[in-house]
Amino acid sequence: KQEVTQIPAALSVPEGENLVLNCSFTDSAIYNLQWFRQDPGKGLTSLLLIQSSQREQTSGRLNASLDKSSGRSTLYIAASQPGDSATYLCAVSPGNTPLVFGKGTRLSVIA
Amino acid sequence: GAGVSQSPSNKVTEKGKDVELRCDPISGHTALYWYRQSLGQGLEFLIYFQGNSAPDKSGLPSDRFSAERTGGSVSTLTIQRTQQEDSAVYLCASIEHRGQETQYFGPGTRLLVL
Repeated sequence: KQEVTQIPAALSVPEGENLVLNCSFTDSAIYNLQWFRQDPGKGLTSLLLIQSSQREQTSGRLNASLDKSSGRSTLYIAASQPGDSATYLCAVSPGNTPLVFGKGTRLSVIA
Repeated sequence: GAGVSQSPSNKVTEKGKDVELRCDPISGHTALYWYRQSLGQGLEFLIYFQGNSAPDKSGLPSDRFSAERTGGSVSTLTIQRTQQEDSAVYLCASIEHRGQETQYFGPGTRLLVL
């Protein structure tokens, strides 16, 4: 059974810092991996999707990497801003089946 | 529509009552998922609809939970005889078609069972 773990569970950083969020999964047979953002009281917003054949994806200040063989992904946020404060969720797709989510990392960026 | 919508946004009910939660997916999206997010837990898959195929109900936690999707669009999740452990945020997501894996999520329904 696929399990997704996110470390740390919570993170607080001063504005301007670069930071890394970690995600690990137990079964490397994945179709893709996605990073989502969830604001309090809101649904999920897809940030980046990495196909299993890809190593990384970038969008603005966000960069996500994927090492499928070791079952790891990282989300790098450059020059963090208070508006980045949210919960970040990692999810893997085994392919044509529902996403398996981690419990998320709650990020606070302090001005 | 602009995105996935869900109603109600919040629901408070008494233990033992039945509740219905509604999801309106993005127009034209053929696949629809229901997830549950409990306090301190990750998102838990409940049920999946794909076109006219039989739904994948493997994630439903008990027979008190059921869902339907009428006309390949709107979906309703029904919880009968609610229990306090059913309190959670229920999220709906839709996908344009199978193979297009970006899921678009609604804002969720926050259910509190007293």
